Amino acid sequence: NAGVMQNPRHLVRRRGQEARLRCSPMKGHSHVYWYRQLPEEGLKFMVYLQKENIIDESGMPKERFSAEFPKEGPSILRIQQVVRGDSAAYFCASSQDRKNSPLHFGNGTRLTVT
Amino acid sequence: GQQVMQIPQYQHVQEGEDFTTYCNSSTTLSNIQWYKQRPGGHPVFLIQLVKSGEVKKQKRLTFQFGEAKKNSSLHITATQTTDVGTYFCAGDNYGQNFVFGPGTRLSVLP
Repeated sequence: NAGVMQNPRHLVRRRGQEARLRCSPMKGHSHVYWYRQLPEEGLKFMVYLQKENIIDESGMPKERFSAEFPKEGPSILRIQQVVRGDSAAYFCASSQDRKNSPLHFGNGTRLTVT
Repeated sequence: GQQVMQIPQYQHVQEGEDFTTYCNSSTTLSNIQWYKQRPGGHPVFLIQLVKSGEVKKQKRLTFQFGEAKKNSSLHITATQTTDVGTYFCAGDNYGQNFVFGPGTRLSVLP
């Protein structure tokens, strides 16, 4: 049973470009969470999605950031017009259901903005 | 909003010594989870505590959930170099998402 798959593992973008981060949850999981982590810091919640629905986006910046989890295909975290401050590791996690389920994390995408 | 704190931020121990990290939430939690992240890796689920006062053990690791369901601890007996990493608690406050603490970074000197 494949785990949570994130790609790319590393992404380099110039300031002003767009970054697209993909996450395929574990088989059978319909809940997806995105977290951001700066070097040697904790995990900051960004957004929680269930198939085709955004459940909680309280951690998402109001501008430039968006997320989706379509009926078919992976969840996408999209960052438009990236700035140097967006450089971080972005982790996706999935769970089987909402209540009392552990989070299974992917290997993360390390975004570097030059 | 909900805040989850952890202490200490860093802990350096000699191999064989014990280690404890504490997690405190500003709100009552429905459950708490613990994760370990190795350097350069991703967080890996360790355990979940649900009941008030619950204690669970995994080999040398002992996890405890406070009576008021607002704090938790992780204790490692006789640390080994394989225990190196950052330990995060994550609180579920009956809300929509899990809030992670800032983590405790453990280094073990051989």
